[in-house]
Amino acid sequence: KAGVTQTPRYLIKTRGQQVTLSCSPISGHRSVSWYQQTPGQGLQFLFEYFSETQRNKGNFPGRFSGRQFSNSRSEMNVSTLELGDSALYLCASSPQTGGNSPLHFGNGTRLTVT
Amino acid sequence: QQQVKQSPQSLIVQKGGISIINCAYENTAFDYFPWYQQFPGKGPALLIAIRPDVSEKKEGRFTISFNKSAKQFSLHIMDSQPGDSATYFCAASSLTGNQFYFGTGTSLTVIP
Repeated sequence: KAGVTQTPRYLIKTRGQQVTLSCSPISGHRSVSWYQQTPGQGLQFLFEYFSETQRNKGNFPGRFSGRQFSNSRSEMNVSTLELGDSALYLCASSPQTGGNSPLHFGNGTRLTVT
Repeated sequence: QQQVKQSPQSLIVQKGGISIINCAYENTAFDYFPWYQQFPGKGPALLIAIRPDVSEKKEGRFTISFNKSAKQFSLHIMDSQPGDSATYFCAASSLTGNQFYFGTGTSLTVIP
């Protein structure tokens, strides 16, 4: 079974631009979560989607948004990029929603904002 | 506010030694505690997980010890190997929640 696929692997953007990251979950997984990973902060929860509905959202500004398609693929968008948005963005899928369903992570998209 | 506190930030262990990473939490609603292992350039991968109805879970060289009254849990890596060198994250979640809360990570280096 193929794992979680995230594209692109690397992105370099300029402050003020917007960016879209893509995630394809494991086949059959209907829940997709997004996390931001930065040194010293660990993994910070952005949001979770299940059956095309956002189930939960972390403490991030409205510049961060996402969506999920009918095939469970998900996209995350960040508008008006700031230098502090530079991070590794991780997508994780799981079979079900709910906090006890193990997460399966992709290898992330490394975003650098200059 | 960090829901899960992890220590130490970094750890250096000799090959064959025991690596111990500790985590503490406050929310008594948490009922699932996984550990993730992350190698450079890769996403975190589930290593082992425990629920609060048991005090210990062992899988090969990896053991989770869980102390419900102290709201603490720890990962023990026995006979540590250079291939275990990675960043380890503890996490916690509740059945009714929709997110995992992660610790800040421990960078483990096992010296040959």
